[in-house]
Amino acid sequence: QVQLMESGGGVVQPGGSLRLSCAASGFSFRSYAMHWVRQAPGKGLEWVASVSHDGNKQVYADSVKGRFTISRDNSKKTLYLHLSSLRPEDTAVYFCAKFEVVGYYLDHWGQGARVTVTP
Amino acid sequence: QSVLTQPPSVSGAPGQRVTISCAGGSSDIGAGHDVHWYQQLPGKAPTLLIFSNIVRPSGVPARFSGSKSGTSASLAITGLQTEDEAEYYCQSSDSNLNLVFGGGTKLTVL
Repeated sequence: QVQLMESGGGVVQPGGSLRLSCAASGFSFRSYAMHWVRQAPGKGLEWVASVSHDGNKQVYADSVKGRFTISRDNSKKTLYLHLSSLRPEDTAVYFCAKFEVVGYYLDHWGQGARVTVTP
Repeated sequence: QSVLTQPPSVSGAPGQRVTISCAGGSSDIGAGHDVHWYQQLPGKAPTLLIFSNIVRPSGVPARFSGSKSGTSASLAITGLQTEDEAEYYCQSSDSNLNLVFGGGTKLTVL
């Protein structure tokens, strides 16, 4: 069965950096685009970034463009999100999700990694 | 502010039917992009509930159904059960094919 497991969350000061990882199993990881979606405390879901199946194309939400970098290592079946120049408003649970390109939806999600940006 | 508009909350008694609306515009739902629905139980990650407007993934009860018309979509839940108490989110795509979400609707089963 499809499994996605995020790691790397934590507490960081404003302006700091962090790298999230998402280990995938149970499907052909190299065949699927992957996304990151975040959820601030008590708030709704916000799409953050996506990467193509081969890692050659990345797309970002305006709110993180220039500060976050999405990447993947297909040999390790792992998705990454490098967060830099962090702001308090980046505090959220970050979910990785598998993308179904035929219908444009996220068919499997990880359990989330919590990132807290605080002085 | 979310691109898609959902009511913040809905409620119903066990056994009743409730609907959750998802309003978009001409660049997302109205442009022909499909609508998908996710259920987020308290403290859990979202799970796919309905995809491509009307399709239920394997394992999702037939009590859940989706529809789409024009620039909006709806999720209907019949025969409400206490375990349906959750947050529900709609999702579509914009003109750049980026994912857009609704703000979420909290369903309370009275």
